[in-house]
Amino acid sequence: DGGITQSPKYLFRKEGQNVTLSCEQNLNHDAMYWYRQDPGQGLRLIYYSQIVNDFQKGDIAEGYSVSREKKESFPLTVTSAQKNPTAFYLCASSMAVKQPQHFGDGTRLSIL
Amino acid sequence: AQSVSQHNHHVILSEAASLELGCNYSYGGTVNLFWYVQYPGQHLQLLLKYFSGDPLVKGIKGFEAEFIKSKFSFNLRKPSVQWSDTAEYFCAVIEDNNDMRFGAGTRLTVKP
Repeated sequence: DGGITQSPKYLFRKEGQNVTLSCEQNLNHDAMYWYRQDPGQGLRLIYYSQIVNDFQKGDIAEGYSVSREKKESFPLTVTSAQKNPTAFYLCASSMAVKQPQHFGDGTRLSIL
Repeated sequence: AQSVSQHNHHVILSEAASLELGCNYSYGGTVNLFWYVQYPGQHLQLLLKYFSGDPLVKGIKGFEAEFIKSKFSFNLRKPSVQWSDTAEYFCAVIEDNNDMRFGAGTRLTVKP
């Protein structure tokens, strides 16, 4: 089945630690995205990538970093600089940036 | 940067009632417009999209949306809702410069 796999489903982090969320797609999509979803705020874009080795900041990129070394993979690192990292993180992909997006099931990150 | 407003946070309807969910955006240029739906326990999925042409677009499960450029609106409608339409609905806008925004979402509860 084609789709987007996010792992893990739940993640716990101690304050001061960096943590990396995984996102893999087998849809052969060029574009990939990371969103943060908080109650009452919808989805806010963290980073997106139009193509391998390229990525752009979204509205709330501070405290986050990404890489796009392979077409299938777009990992997100939540750094210790992110002041309020507890949230639900969604990864998505699309054939190109303006096309409909396919979403993963999300990763819920909590601070211990 | 543009904004996307979904005016209703939570809508409660009885089965067979008509539905209209509002979505307004602030960007004056060319846009691609989307409605996504998240059913309980499932990932976000595309409901319908508008790129150009006929401003009345039809999506899955009997939903439709009308793009009114003069009002910067893309409201979602369904003539008769079912209990299975209970979900959260998100409007999304992508500008011609790839700037993208989601609305805060509208939670729809349909009472049987």
